[in-house]
Amino acid sequence: GNSVTQMEGPVTLSEEAFLTINCTYTATGYPSLFWYVQYPGEGLQLLLKATKADDKGSNKGFEATYRKETTSFHLEKGSVQVSDSAVYFCALMDTGRRALTFGSGTRLQVQP
Amino acid sequence: GAGVSQSPSNKVTEKGKDVELRCDPISGHTALYWYRQSLGQGLEFLIYFQGNSAPDKSGLPSDRFSAERTGGSVSTLTIQRTQQEDSAVYLCASSPQTGTGDHIQYFGAGTRLSVL
Repeated sequence: GNSVTQMEGPVTLSEEAFLTINCTYTATGYPSLFWYVQYPGEGLQLLLKATKADDKGSNKGFEATYRKETTSFHLEKGSVQVSDSAVYFCALMDTGRRALTFGSGTRLQVQP
Repeated sequence: GAGVSQSPSNKVTEKGKDVELRCDPISGHTALYWYRQSLGQGLEFLIYFQGNSAPDKSGLPSDRFSAERTGGSVSTLTIQRTQQEDSAVYLCASSPQTGTGDHIQYFGAGTRLSVL
């Protein structure tokens, strides 16, 4: 079956530091890949997505590239802000079953 | 426009009672999903409705869980004879369409269920 593995948290960084959150997946076929973010006290929001190999999703300074050869979709940001403190979820959706399969989530804490 | 709306935002119930959770999807969205977010299990898919098709119930954890979607819009998730392990945040999401179109799921803020 489908699965998503993402790095354990929490991740604690200073403001303006570089962020990487690793995500790898197992799926049959060619899934679409997503990063969702959950800010404190709020619902899940789509951060970015990629639907095919070598696509790069980007939003709010965050980027992730769909790497089929390594089955990865790592999230990166060059300079994090305190306001980026949240829980980040990597997810996939295969072409047959429309439900999302989520990773366990990575909590990011950015300190001023 | 309005997002996905869920009610109640919090629900406390006693073990053995039935609960109903409601979801109002974004207007015009044909697909509706229920997920559960719990400390031990993370985010899990429960059930998926698409238009008038039979729902995909493959994620429901037991026969105490059921859901319906009336008129292709509002959905209700019912948990019968609640157990303490049902305590979680129940999330609803909707999506505009399937096929080759937009598959992005838009989530509500969730209902936090506490079973005492």
